[in-house]
Amino acid sequence: DVVLTQSPATLSVTPGERISLSCRASESVDTYLHWYQQKPNESPRLLIKYASQSISGIPSRFSGSGSGTDFTLSINGVELEDLSIYYCQQGNSLPTFGSGTKLEIK
Amino acid sequence: QVTLKESGPGILQPSHTLSLTCSFSGFSLSTYGMGVSWIRQPSGKGLEWLASIWWNGNTYNNPSLKSRLTVSKDTSNNQAFLKVTSVDTADTATYYCAHTRYRYNYFDYWGQGVMVTVSS
Repeated sequence: DVVLTQSPATLSVTPGERISLSCRASESVDTYLHWYQQKPNESPRLLIKYASQSISGIPSRFSGSGSGTDFTLSINGVELEDLSIYYCQQGNSLPTFGSGTKLEIK
Repeated sequence: QVTLKESGPGILQPSHTLSLTCSFSGFSLSTYGMGVSWIRQPSGKGLEWLASIWWNGNTYNNPSLKSRLTVSKDTSNNQAFLKVTSVDTADTATYYCAHTRYRYNYFDYWGQGVMVTVSS
């Protein structure tokens, strides 16, 4: 199995900040790395596909980068509605998810 | 517009078989490249992919659950199914079905989830 390690586990933020979340794969997944947002008591929502491709309807402040084993999800100007748990997921082999990064208010 | 909705028993006893149904609209599981995946999430914990079924009938299961999983589909009625045998308390979770595209393996539409509790 490809293990995805997300860091940090929790990130305390101030609204308006630019932040970066990390996802590291135990082996190369090329760019088959996708990001999801999950708000409390809601289903996950696809944010970014193929490491950096945007999804229709997702605010432009969300962006992704990386390839191989190291990936980053950035939020340019965090808003209160962004307080969620963010998961990365690889699709290069049988799917696996990272353990998530929780965004909370500082 | 793609929508999916899971249904299931709510609660069942240990050692029994869990049967879940995913009813969907907006796509066909007979169309090339279309798939439905099952993902679960214990309360307060992370996401775990369980299985996927594809338009051509191929299925893939999470090897950590060994042979306990069976996925199937009813293309005519736009439904997919998941069976989990020999359940125990560790299978207590919210179970989601999600639309998946072949080879790309991302989950772009999700159901609302169904909570399943295993308890005697």
